[in-house]
Amino acid sequence: EVQLVESGGGLVQPGGSLKLSCAASGFTFDDYAIHWVRQAPGKGLEWVSGISWNSGNIAYAGSVRGRFTISRDNAKNSLYLQMNSLGPEDMAIYYCARDRRPIVAATSYFDFWGRGTLVTVSS
Amino acid sequence: QSVLTQPPSASGTPGQRVTISCSGSSSNVGANPINWYQHLPGTAPKLLIYTTNQRPSGVPDRFSGSKSGTSASLAISGLQSEDEAEYYCATWDDSLNVFYVFGTGTKVTVL
Repeated sequence: EVQLVESGGGLVQPGGSLKLSCAASGFTFDDYAIHWVRQAPGKGLEWVSGISWNSGNIAYAGSVRGRFTISRDNAKNSLYLQMNSLGPEDMAIYYCARDRRPIVAATSYFDFWGRGTLVTVSS
Repeated sequence: QSVLTQPPSASGTPGQRVTISCSGSSSNVGANPINWYQHLPGTAPKLLIYTTNQRPSGVPDRFSGSKSGTSASLAISGLQSEDEAEYYCATWDDSLNVFYVFGTGTKVTVL
């Protein structure tokens, strides 16, 4: 059974940093690209970042580029999101989602998702 | 603010057909395949339709997708109570600042 389990969310002050993790199981992790998607309170889904199977192809949404860094450790079947300079606009549930393809491309889509981890930005 | 526009809500009685629209532009809907996701609060979003009109294994054939020009649609026929959820269209955008975009979301209510 494919499983994606996010962790690392919590309360952080504005301007602070946080690192999220996503533990994958039930499939060959390094066969797939993986993405982060978030949902702010009362808002819709927003794509944040994606990384290809070998970390050779990485993309970010303009709203997080330069502040967030996506990475993966295929030996540990894990995905990460380092988030710096956090602001109220970053407060959201963060989901990791498996891409159906090994690379981040226009024909990608997300076939399995985790249940998310909540990031709260407040002083 | 999403570049894909959906109606905020849609509703129907059990057994009815409901259609959700997704309006975009030539750099997203007009250029790339469309995917649809179903999301219930507190749960993992679920892939409903991929590559515009394909259903993953396990998704009932009551759900169907289509696209024409810069607009896409999701149709739910034979509406059931368990279909009450938020639905999002999504696709890639060929502009530089955003790669993958989701629609604004449509809450489907079964009356």
